[in-house]
Amino acid sequence: GNSVTQMEGPVTLSEEAFLTINCTYTATGYPSLFWYVQYPGEGLQLLLKATKADDKGSNKGFEATYRKETTSFHLEKGSVQVSDSAVYFCALNTGANSKLTFGKGITLSVRP
Amino acid sequence: ETGVTQSPTHLIKTRGQQVTLRCSSQSGHNTVSWYQQALGQGPQFIFQYYREEENGRGNFPPRFSGLQFPNYSSELNVNALELDDSALYLCASSLDRFPEQFFGPGTRLTVL
Repeated sequence: GNSVTQMEGPVTLSEEAFLTINCTYTATGYPSLFWYVQYPGEGLQLLLKATKADDKGSNKGFEATYRKETTSFHLEKGSVQVSDSAVYFCALNTGANSKLTFGKGITLSVRP
Repeated sequence: ETGVTQSPTHLIKTRGQQVTLRCSSQSGHNTVSWYQQALGQGPQFIFQYYREEENGRGNFPPRFSGLQFPNYSSELNVNALELDDSALYLCASSLDRFPEQFFGPGTRLTVL
């Protein structure tokens, strides 16, 4: 079956540090890949997506590239801000329905 | 454009009771998916409704049931509540089962 594996957390960074959050997946077929972000007390917000190999999704300074050869979709940001503190989820979809399979999520805390 | 809304925000029930959670989809969206997010975990797919028909179900027992109305709003019903049903229940809407989904803020259910 489909699965998503995220690196263990939590992650604590200083403001303006470089961020990488690893995500690898196992899927049948050709999945679409997503990063969602969950701020404290809120639901999930779509951060970025990629629908085919070598696509790069980007939004709000975050980027992730769909790597089919390594089955990965790592999230990066060059300079994090305190406001980026949240829980980040990697997810995939392969089916005829829009069921999303999520990783466990990772908590990012950014210190001023 | 109105986003996805859910009610109630919080709910406390006792074991064995029944609960109904409600979701209004984003304007123009005809697909609603429900997810259960246990504390510290990623969301798990419960089921999806597309144009009032169930369109896929995750690994949840039959006591989890749902409904979608002609205006595409949806209900999640859980019978015979168990302690492990305590979680954040998220509703997400999309257009025509596209994988890009928009989430509501969730309903926090506590079962005592």
